[in-house]
Amino acid sequence: QKEVEQDPGPLSVPEGAIVSLNCTYSNSAFQYFMWYRQYSRKGPELLMYTYSSGNKEDGRFTAQVDKSSKYISLFIRDSQPSDSATYLCAMSAANQAGTALIFGKGTTLSVSS
Amino acid sequence: EPEVTQTPSHQVTQMGQEVILRCVPISNHLYFYWYRQILGQKVEFLVSFYNNEISEKSEIFDDQFSVERPDGSNFTLKIRSTKLEDSAMYFCASSGTGSDTQYFGPGTRLTVL
Repeated sequence: QKEVEQDPGPLSVPEGAIVSLNCTYSNSAFQYFMWYRQYSRKGPELLMYTYSSGNKEDGRFTAQVDKSSKYISLFIRDSQPSDSATYLCAMSAANQAGTALIFGKGTTLSVSS
Repeated sequence: EPEVTQTPSHQVTQMGQEVILRCVPISNHLYFYWYRQILGQKVEFLVSFYNNEISEKSEIFDDQFSVERPDGSNFTLKIRSTKLEDSAMYFCASSGTGSDTQYFGPGTRLTVL
């Protein structure tokens, strides 16, 4: 059973576009949701963290969670070439240190100038 | 800004050999993790570690693997008798007490020949 599904792309957009990245999950125990950005040959870098259904905004980034549909999204407004990276969704069942994160496969985004 | 560091960046070994991957977590963090990412696949949880004990481990983390905090700053992953399928990027992560936000290192690329 694939717990977290994420379209790997690649996704190519022009600079300034709005980007929508999505993940679905099957395990209703997941309650905490994260988006990581990973540049080539680097480790994942935390972008957004949320635990409730609804939207959370941070600058050009908005994370959206719909627990009833088991669906999460990351929106990037006014995309920049520096946003070109792989975006990984991750989730966990518990909000405590030591808990495993379950990742999606990642979506590769390319923003052209 | 504090960061997780990992050495070496690339390790090449022969099948059947033992390797030790090293990590220096963020200095005030108490929870440590290892993940791996086989080329083209998801980032997968291996193990979490706290207070000199394993907190949680996945089914991947079998008797071939072990973790250790040999001193106050390093955290190591030992892989005994490496197999071809152990070839992957290995990421170390750390988190603080009471926080499940995990900060990742840049990874060690392990190539088993």
